Amino acid sequence: EPEVTQTPSHQVTQMGQEVILRCVPISNHLYFYWYRQILGQKVEFLVSFYNNEISEKSEIFDDQFSVERPDGSNFTLKIRSTKLEDSAMYFCASSAGHSSEQYFGPGTRLTVT
Amino acid sequence: GEDVEQSLFLSVREGDSSVINCTYTDSSSTYLYWYKQEPGAGLQLLTYIFSNMDMKQDQRLTVLLNKKDKHLSLRIADTQTGDSAIYFCAETSIYNQGGKLIFGQGTELSVKP
Repeated sequence: EPEVTQTPSHQVTQMGQEVILRCVPISNHLYFYWYRQILGQKVEFLVSFYNNEISEKSEIFDDQFSVERPDGSNFTLKIRSTKLEDSAMYFCASSAGHSSEQYFGPGTRLTVT
Repeated sequence: GEDVEQSLFLSVREGDSSVINCTYTDSSSTYLYWYKQEPGAGLQLLTYIFSNMDMKQDQRLTVLLNKKDKHLSLRIADTQTGDSAIYFCAETSIYNQGGKLIFGQGTELSVKP
């Protein structure tokens, strides 16, 4: 069964450093998403991406964040200068259509020290 | 803004039925989802219901939707210890430009033998 994969599973970084979180969505899906879950809090939407551009972003997704689909398979989330409050589990998801079911990857736990 | 609320904990005995409840505020909700998260794992899509349906059954899972009260429930029949996990309710609307999901805070289901 096709699945969304994410690497790395755990990333530790120092405050101010750049991180890139990687995702491989399901191959025939066209819509891609990033969500995050701070420990003990709700899963929050960050950004959606379709046709090589951002469709929607939340207020969390400020200038420190960017997304890219560098090739036909990967979808990345970059945080330019990490802050302590960026520590969270980051989930990538993909869907076949705009309102279709979203399938989530296992997540990357980001720890900023 | 849109909001989704769930109770935080539910404890049942193995073999009993579990009912997990969710309320939402978005009148334009189109799809409502149930996701399962086991410890250390990602979000597994369990089932979903379209807003013009009242009920959907899928093996041991029954989803009930009361659109008037904006209330969604997930019933798990013959609950097993393997069903112990956090269950998230989520909603989206076709009017959301980017297809974002709004999540509840999750209900931790504990199944006792």
